[in-house]
Amino acid sequence: LAKTTQPVSMDSYEGQEVNITCSHNNIATNDYITWYQQFPSQGPRFIIQGYKTKVTNEVASLFIPADRKSSTLSLPRVSLSDTAVYYCLGRYSSASKIIFGSGTRLSIRP
Amino acid sequence: ETGVTQSPTHLIKTRGQQVTLRCSSQSGHNTVSWYQQALGQGPQFIFQYYREEENGRGNFPPRFSGLQFPNYSSELNVNALELDDSALYLCASSLDGGLANYGYTFGSGTRLTVV
Repeated sequence: LAKTTQPVSMDSYEGQEVNITCSHNNIATNDYITWYQQFPSQGPRFIIQGYKTKVTNEVASLFIPADRKSSTLSLPRVSLSDTAVYYCLGRYSSASKIIFGSGTRLSIRP
Repeated sequence: ETGVTQSPTHLIKTRGQQVTLRCSSQSGHNTVSWYQQALGQGPQFIFQYYREEENGRGNFPPRFSGLQFPNYSSELNVNALELDDSALYLCASSLDGGLANYGYTFGSGTRLTVV
């Protein structure tokens, strides 16, 4: 499984676009990149998953360059409710378990 | 569709005791994973069950054991509780290992306190 490295914390303001970058230098060919969001005392919530290039859904975009050694989660126009911990994960396509790192604590200010 | 339900939500146990935590997976899901999350840390993978068989285990001692039932609900059992077992225990379910774009669905967890 790919070892992931991401910033410990980030701050931003309401209405801004936030980009959180994750490094996964030893990602394997079969690894997907998955991002989860977690609020205090709640379970993580799936945000988005991708293999390469760009993936977009109703809440976020995920950018993965051609070498797949990093990925960037983009949150458009954040609000106070986006304050949470965000986890970047690498996962084999043929395996089921997911391994969390320490995550990025995102704080949004008014 | 129902989500993942865990019970109980909170639990206090004494060191040396045994505990059983329960998880009802989301309808249609056949895979259940368990995680331990200490305060301020990311979730740590305990083990996973796929169609009633354990198919992956993290770095946890044998006193952590589990079970998945034919309806795909699951139990986590911890024997000989230690103070360091105090944590939020999370259950996550998925269909065929979460390879679909919706990934894993997590419950809200059971907060276990060992005194």
